[in-house]
Amino acid sequence: GENVEQHPSTLSVQEGDSAVIKCTYSDSASNYFPWYKQELGKGPQLIIDIRSNVGEKKDQRIAVTLNKTAKHFSLHITETQPEDSAVYFCAASRVNNFNKFYFGSGTKLNVKP
Amino acid sequence: GAVVSQHPSWVICKSGTSVKIECRSLDFQATTMFWYRQFPKQSLMLMATSNEGSKATYEQGVEKDKFLINHASLTLSTLTVTSAHPEDSSFYICSATSGPSSYNEQFFGPGTRLTVL
Repeated sequence: GENVEQHPSTLSVQEGDSAVIKCTYSDSASNYFPWYKQELGKGPQLIIDIRSNVGEKKDQRIAVTLNKTAKHFSLHITETQPEDSAVYFCAASRVNNFNKFYFGSGTKLNVKP
Repeated sequence: GAVVSQHPSWVICKSGTSVKIECRSLDFQATTMFWYRQFPKQSLMLMATSNEGSKATYEQGVEKDKFLINHASLTLSTLTVTSAHPEDSSFYICSATSGPSSYNEQFFGPGTRLTVL
């Protein structure tokens, strides 16, 4: 089955700096890679996703890159703000596998004012 | 759009009792719903996948007789924790997808905090 690894487990940055979170996956058939933000006591919220036919996607301060050959994808947050502080999860899934998501272990991002 | 709700948001029960958690897709028809369990500071663990009108598919190690899942309609799935024990205390999260045409997207509910005394 799919195995998703996520690094780092914790990340502290100064407000205004950039943050990068990386994930690797094992199943070359995976073709959908979402990123979720989870605040304490709440459910995960989709912040950005990328499909395997695209190498990069950007939405304002958030971007995701995908390297299919190396089987890794990364989340980039620029100009971080205190409200970006949360736990971020990456996931991988593939069509025809009942849409099952395989989640990374999570990264706790702390943005210091 | 694509809103998923859960009820209750939190519940406290006595050991040995059963607890039902509801998951609803509010503005779309969910052909598939998923149930996850999350322990503090850990990732989401998929418990089961449920398709409307059919039996749920449980992940390895998840007791189907303990975690009863019913997906009776395209907008509602329920998870019943039977004979709950303190070790069942956790954060339970559901998600929903509208089918293959949505190309994998899952929309998550806000979660239900279960505490078993």
